[in-house]
Amino acid sequence: LAKTTQPISMDSYEGQEVNITCSHNNIATNDYITWYQQFPSQGPRFIIQGYKTKVTNEVASLFIPADRKSSTLSLPRVSLSDTAVYYCLVGDVANNAGNMLTFGGGTRLMVKP
Amino acid sequence: GAGVSQSPRYKVAKRGQDVALRCDPISGHVSLFWYQQALGQGPEFLTYFQNEAQLDKSGLPSDRFFAERPEGSVSTLKIQRTQQEDSAVYLCASSLVPDTQYFGPGTRLTVL
Repeated sequence: LAKTTQPISMDSYEGQEVNITCSHNNIATNDYITWYQQFPSQGPRFIIQGYKTKVTNEVASLFIPADRKSSTLSLPRVSLSDTAVYYCLVGDVANNAGNMLTFGGGTRLMVKP
Repeated sequence: GAGVSQSPRYKVAKRGQDVALRCDPISGHVSLFWYQQALGQGPEFLTYFQNEAQLDKSGLPSDRFFAERPEGSVSTLKIQRTQQEDSAVYLCASSLVPDTQYFGPGTRLTVL
């Protein structure tokens, strides 16, 4: 499984756009990029997944350059409730039924008033 | 009750005691995973079931850890002779095959 590297922590203010970048230099051809969010005392929650270019849903956008060696999770106009740990994962989700998720340390996002 | 549920939410055990942690996956989800999350770290894989079959237990840290899913639905993670290093949050996740994993709230185990 491809190893990911992301910042340990980030601070932001309410209403700002937050971009969290993840490096995955040895991503494989069949790997997808998935982001999870985890609040204290809760399990991780799926946010978004993509393979290339840009994916957008009601929560976030995911930007993936052509070489796929990195990806950026974009959270528009964050609020205090977006304070959480964000994990970037890569793996062959589509073809591996027993696809355990390999989490790194994640990025602790603190949103301030 | 649409999500994954786990019980108990908190468990305190004395060193040497056995504990059993329960996971109720989302109805119809074939795959079930157990993860261990130490304080300040990301979850780490323990074991994986597809229906009642345990297909991967490579993440179980020792033979004191045992998981079962006898009817392909509810799963139990059992830890025998608990040690202080077993203190962690134990997360259960379920999914269709293959698809997004949905996590429960976890059981926080504290071994004194």
